[in-house]
Amino acid sequence: DQQVKQNSPSLSVQEGRISILNCDYTNSMFDYFLWYKKYPAEGPTFLISISSIKDKNEDGRFTVFLNKSAKHLSLHIVPSQPGDSAVYFCAASANDYKLSFGAGTTVTVRA
Amino acid sequence: DTGVSQDPRHKITKRGQNVTFRCDPISEHNRLYWYRQTLGQGPEFLTYFQNEAQLEKSRLLSDRFSAERPKGSFSTLEIQRTEQGDSAMYLCASSSRLDRRNTGELFFGEGSRLTVL
Repeated sequence: DQQVKQNSPSLSVQEGRISILNCDYTNSMFDYFLWYKKYPAEGPTFLISISSIKDKNEDGRFTVFLNKSAKHLSLHIVPSQPGDSAVYFCAASANDYKLSFGAGTTVTVRA
Repeated sequence: DTGVSQDPRHKITKRGQNVTFRCDPISEHNRLYWYRQTLGQGPEFLTYFQNEAQLEKSRLLSDRFSAERPKGSFSTLEIQRTEQGDSAMYLCASSSRLDRRNTGELFFGEGSRLTVL
């Protein structure tokens, strides 16, 4: 039962442009949402998170938006850089730090 | 290096053999998690510990899987009588219940890749 879904397996974007990654969830008990980035042969690394009491959180080039009524969140990366090429996972937790992950979106930033 | 470390990084074994993976979390973290990741999927939760107590193990994939954290520090994940379907990346993560930033972040190790022939 996939409670967190990333419906776009891949995204290609030109360097300097905006990358928008989307994530949908089904569990209304989720109260924390996170984005992780993963390079090949490495473990996932934390990128940014947002609490369910907020609708936006920004950290440098990364902004996460949360739409609770739609059970949808998105990650914006602007401007995209070649080093952003990686797999991005959306994750969520409900009242603890046990995370449920989406299947990931592979981002390729073209020069 | 004070991150989460996992050993071995890669294990190749024959079907039917037992394997054990070790995870050393960040030293001040009291929560430890095991996840499994297969190709094209996100990490799948298996089990977690708070100190030495295993608080949830219902997601362990079968009774061939077991995990321990005997002294609340390092943890081991054992798979008995391995099957080809067990081939995956096994990820360990840790966190602190007293995360001051309150980001909900888990810190992951680089994973142990299991290949069952």
